[in-house]
Amino acid sequence: NAGVTQTPKFRILKIGQSMTLQCTQDMNHNYMYWYRQDPGMGLKLIYYSVGAGITDKGEVPNGYNVSRSTTEDFPLRLELAAPSQTSVYFCASSPLTGGNEQFFGPGTRLTVL
Amino acid sequence: GENVEQHPSTLSVQEGDSAVIKCTYSDSASNYFPWYKQELGKGPQLIIDIRSNVGEKKDQRIAVTLNKTAKHFSLHITETQPEDSAVYFCAATSGNTPLVFGKGTRLSVIA
Repeated sequence: NAGVTQTPKFRILKIGQSMTLQCTQDMNHNYMYWYRQDPGMGLKLIYYSVGAGITDKGEVPNGYNVSRSTTEDFPLRLELAAPSQTSVYFCASSPLTGGNEQFFGPGTRLTVL
Repeated sequence: GENVEQHPSTLSVQEGDSAVIKCTYSDSASNYFPWYKQELGKGPQLIIDIRSNVGEKKDQRIAVTLNKTAKHFSLHITETQPEDSAVYFCAATSGNTPLVFGKGTRLSVIA
């Protein structure tokens, strides 16, 4: 199993551009999550999904959108990139929410200039 | 909602010494407390976890203790090695909501 894969690994955007961060898991997990990690600030939840067709906001959803059309994929969309969205983005999955191990992808480092 | 505080933010120890990282949580309904290790350039990885019906759990050189009354839990690493150098995150949840993470502790083990 590849686990959780993310693409791209690195990306530089100009202010106002849009992009989609891709996330795929092959463990048949129901739950998937998107986090952003800023230096010294830990992991902040952006959006999560409890299954195909169901998504919910996390702590910092503004400026982002998600969709979950399949169990495997959970893309994160940035519509109008802003410098404040410069961060490292991690996708994760788990078989259940809460009291179960979350498996993280390798991350996408995004810079908005 | 849940709030998790983690201390210290940085920790340096000599190789072979012990390291302790502490976390406090606010929601008395929280019942699952994992610890994640993040190596440079990688995603976090679970190293140990504890549930509220247990006070202590060990796995080789790593142990976690939980004090439900005081709402705090700690990670203990004994006989530290250079490969233990990483960022460590604690987290908490009641089981019905996603994990809430602490801000992380950067551990440096000096050879």
